[in-house]
Amino acid sequence: GAGVSQSPSNKVTEKGKDVELRCDPISGHTALYWYRQSLGQGLEFLIYFQGNSAPDKSGLPSDRFSAERTGGSVSTLTIQRTQQEDSAVYLCASSFNTGGETQYFGPGTRLLVL
Amino acid sequence: SQKIEQNSEALNIQEGKTATLTCNYTNYSPAYLQWYRQDPGRGPVFLLLIRENEKEKRKERLKVTFDTTLKQSLFHITASQPADSATYLCALRNDYKLSFGAGTTVTVRA
Repeated sequence: GAGVSQSPSNKVTEKGKDVELRCDPISGHTALYWYRQSLGQGLEFLIYFQGNSAPDKSGLPSDRFSAERTGGSVSTLTIQRTQQEDSAVYLCASSFNTGGETQYFGPGTRLLVL
Repeated sequence: SQKIEQNSEALNIQEGKTATLTCNYTNYSPAYLQWYRQDPGRGPVFLLLIRENEKEKRKERLKVTFDTTLKQSLFHITASQPADSATYLCALRNDYKLSFGAGTTVTVRA
């Protein structure tokens, strides 16, 4: 079956512009996570969705970042008024449920803010 | 504060040797610990999970140990091959989230 997919794979934008990153989780996975990975750094948790529950947004670095998940499936991470420090790889992962022990990652979106 | 620390140096080893990677953590009480592999330009891929009541876990040429007293996990790649070259990440379950170390890059020379 298909794994987690993300689009676009690469995004170059100018400082101050808004960007939208998309994640398509594995079918049937109710938990969805967004992480950010800066060069040489570990994965930084951003936001978590589980079914119809309110998302855990505790990792979002500023109010310029938001995410939604429609119909319990596809998720979009939006970064408004991008800054150069937002340049990173944005990774999405899904797991079978909250207790899912394995997270399945997408290939990531490489964002470069000029 | 909570910390997860992996080998700060990259590991360069000869094919056939054993690579040993370290993951130390502070201020966590994880129910389990995971290891992931990440290749350049790709997302992490799950390798192994070890629970707090398990001392050791094996999968093919991989072995993981977990010492909750030392707050440490060791990850061994035995009979290493050039195809094992990648970055290896340890991750702790923190409520329903995973917290990741920065990773250790392993290069296996033929």
